[in-house]
Amino acid sequence: AQSVAQPEDQVNVAEGNPLTVKCTYSVSGNPYLFWYVQYPNRGLQFLLKYITGDNLVKGSYGFEAEFNKSQTSFHLKKPSALVSDSALYFCAHSGEGSSNTGKLIFGQGTTLQVKP
Amino acid sequence: EAGVAQSPRYKIIEKRQSVAFWCNPISGHATLYWYQQILGQGPKLLIQFQNNGVVDDSQLPKDRFSAERLKGVDSTLKIQPAKLEDSAVYLCASSLEPTSNQPQHFGDGTRLSIL
Repeated sequence: AQSVAQPEDQVNVAEGNPLTVKCTYSVSGNPYLFWYVQYPNRGLQFLLKYITGDNLVKGSYGFEAEFNKSQTSFHLKKPSALVSDSALYFCAHSGEGSSNTGKLIFGQGTTLQVKP
Repeated sequence: EAGVAQSPRYKIIEKRQSVAFWCNPISGHATLYWYQQILGQGPKLLIQFQNNGVVDDSQLPKDRFSAERLKGVDSTLKIQPAKLEDSAVYLCASSLEPTSNQPQHFGDGTRLSIL
């Protein structure tokens, strides 16, 4: 089955340090990949997406993600973490071409904790 | 622009009771999604509407769950009768069109607790 996996339940990083939240995918063809963030008791917010083109995708709030086809990864990164970045992060994919209905398949989520 | 509105925010019921959730998408968004998010898991799509038609309801437990979007705007999701395993956050999302070119905008969800 086509899926995305987030191998870490939690990532801890000190404020000001770079952060990485990992995502790997198992999707045939050309995957459409996304990152969303969820703050406590809130819905998900879109951060960025990869459809095609440049492997480095820039998104909201200073986040970026790198699509790596050889490693089947789409890791989320930020050069300098803020305490306010602490939240739950989801990687997701959707179908391509004729199967692209917008339906998102989410990973299990990674909690990011940024400590002052 | 106003976001996706959902109500109620919280609901507590006993098993075998019925419950309904309401969603008002962003104005002009033709596509509406209902997701179920169980604690510790990512959201799972229950049903997707394009205007007032169903695009995908393959993961909807149709023996107990139903959803409608009669006028192609607001939507309701109903559970009858509820089971303990239905305890979750129910998220509504909308987008301009049913492709990945448009990001989905999520409401804050309804947290359902089954006693």
